[in-house]
Amino acid sequence: QQQVKQSPQSLIVQKGGISIINCAYENTAFDYFPWYQQFPGKGPALLIAIRPDVSEKKEGRFTISFNKSAKQFSLHIMDSQPGDSATYFCAASLNNAGNMLTFGGGTRLMVKP
Amino acid sequence: SAVISQKPSRDICQRGTSLTIQCQVDSQVTMMFWYRQQPGQSLTLIATANQGSEATYESGFVIDKFPISRPNLTFSTLTVSNMSPEDSSIYLCSVMDETGYEQYFGPGTRLTVT
Repeated sequence: QQQVKQSPQSLIVQKGGISIINCAYENTAFDYFPWYQQFPGKGPALLIAIRPDVSEKKEGRFTISFNKSAKQFSLHIMDSQPGDSATYFCAASLNNAGNMLTFGGGTRLMVKP
Repeated sequence: SAVISQKPSRDICQRGTSLTIQCQVDSQVTMMFWYRQQPGQSLTLIATANQGSEATYESGFVIDKFPISRPNLTFSTLTVSNMSPEDSSIYLCSVMDETGYEQYFGPGTRLTVT
């Protein structure tokens, strides 16, 4: 069964610090790895995504690091802000499976002022 | 990205009744998805809804319980039938954009069954 395992389940970071969330996957055929940010009462919002042909992608304060051999990818939030406090989900999909997203379990991030 | 709206945003329903959730997109999309998110949990795909074909349901979800309609490229409905308290969840629709990879989610419908 396709699985994506996410850790930690919760994370507390001081303002200005680096938040790091990790995901591991099993199916080497996955070819798209997005991260979603969800605030309470809202739907998940696509934050950043990566394909397996690159090892890193950066957008502003958010960076995805991808390790194909280890089947792992991570989200780094630099200079974390209280407004970043949300639940973050990693996901993976297969193009030949109709791009169905398989989600990790989620990480609840709290950034303390 | 597509702008997605859902109705209702929330509802409280009695056991044994049914609720139909609407999903409207501001542009034509081929692939739409329905997800369930139980309180404090991750997202689970219920079904894929493509216009002009029957919805494809994931393991553990059946058409009799979650009938889906997809009458055109901008609209879909999900019905939660014969509800029980275990159906209390957030129901989310999402759409695939033209890249064939990026998925965008609606705001969700928070359902409470009493």
